[in-house]
Amino acid sequence: KQEVTQIPAALSVPEGENLVLNCSFTDSAIYNLQWFRQDPGKGLTSLLLIQSSQREQTSGRLNASLDKSSGRSTLYIAASQPGDSATYLCAVRPDSGYALNFGKGTSLLVTP
Amino acid sequence: NAGVTQTPKFRILKIGQSMTLQCAQDMNHNYMYWYRQDPGMGLKLIYYSVGAGITDKGEVPNGYNVSRSTTEDFPLRLELAAPSQTSVYFCASSNKAGVQETQYFGPGTRLLVL
Repeated sequence: KQEVTQIPAALSVPEGENLVLNCSFTDSAIYNLQWFRQDPGKGLTSLLLIQSSQREQTSGRLNASLDKSSGRSTLYIAASQPGDSATYLCAVRPDSGYALNFGKGTSLLVTP
Repeated sequence: NAGVTQTPKFRILKIGQSMTLQCAQDMNHNYMYWYRQDPGMGLKLIYYSVGAGITDKGEVPNGYNVSRSTTEDFPLRLELAAPSQTSVYFCASSNKAGVQETQYFGPGTRLLVL
């Protein structure tokens, strides 16, 4: 069974800092990996999707990397802003089936 | 664009009551999903559908039922509510289960069973 772990569970940084969120998964037979953002009381918003054959994806200040063989992904946020405060979820889609396997998330607080 | 909509936003049920959580999408997506999110936990798949008339169980289907009579709608039915079903329920849809698949999520329904 695929297990997805996110470290740290919570993170507080001052505005302007660069930061890295970590995601690890136990089964490397994945189809793709997604990073989502969840604001309190809201649904999930997809940030980046990395195909299993890709190493990284970039969108604005966000960069996600994937090392499938070691079962790891990182989300890099450059020049953090208070508006980045949210919970960030990592989800892995296995080679077989449709279910996304989610981590528990990293709660990020960026202070002014 | 409305995207994925869910109703109600919040509901309190008594043990043993039944209810239907509504989900609709206006993106003409074939694939739709129901997840539940317990406090401090990741999302878990309850049921999914690959098209009208086709549904299948996910990881945690017990106590729930679904139907998919149209492409747009994917309601989730709770027949006999139990305290263990207290959770936030998210509906999602995607264009296809392919390499470029991105799942779009609704705002969620918060359910409390007392």
